[in-house]
Amino acid sequence: EVQLVESGGDLAKPGRSLRLSCTASGFMFGDYPMGWVRQAPGKGLEWVGFIRSNFYGGTAEYAASVKGRFTISIDDSQNVAYLQLNGLKTEDTAVYYCTRAGFDGNGDYYFDYWGLGTLVTVSS
Amino acid sequence: SYVVTQPPSVSVAPGQTARITCGGDNIGSKSVHWYQQRPGQAPVLVVYDDSERPSGIPERFSGSNSGTTATLTISSVEAKDEADFFCQVSDSTSEHPVFGGGTKLTVL
Repeated sequence: EVQLVESGGDLAKPGRSLRLSCTASGFMFGDYPMGWVRQAPGKGLEWVGFIRSNFYGGTAEYAASVKGRFTISIDDSQNVAYLQLNGLKTEDTAVYYCTRAGFDGNGDYYFDYWGLGTLVTVSS
Repeated sequence: SYVVTQPPSVSVAPGQTARITCGGDNIGSKSVHWYQQRPGQAPVLVVYDDSERPSGIPERFSGSNSGTTATLTISSVEAKDEADFFCQVSDSTSEHPVFGGGTKLTVL
């Protein structure tokens, strides 16, 4: 059974940093891209970023709203994906979901498994 | 960037058929994916690649995609289907995923 468990969400002041972790189990972690999606309170889903598996170069892509501030990395030896959040802003307040990604018919990404999410609150 | 549009809400009586749309420029050329999010829960993939169902998703959920509109159809709607539904595609230029704003399905 595929499981994704996020941790690391917390209350942080604007400008500070947090690191979220996503521990995966139930599948060959190194074979899949991993993504992060967030949801602000009462709002819709917003893609944050994804990282390709090391087989495909291990490179990452980010939404314009977080590029340059957030960084995704993976540790294949521990089956963990990370989301480093730097320069936090109040608008980063959201539940952050870790996702496993799959390739659609056009070679693009969709998200077939989701964790339960971890809450990040940015407030002074 | 690519924009997809969903109606904010859809209402349907139990046992009837619900249709939730996702509109976008030439969306028929893209692969569309649908997620269900029940209140207080994480999203769940219910349809991928326009019309494919993941394991464990009931046959009542189906999808189609043509022209400028993709549609998620839920037949024989049950109270437990009440949820927010989000469509997702990828922007052709950036290859970045894009979500629709979501549709709240209310079962009357």
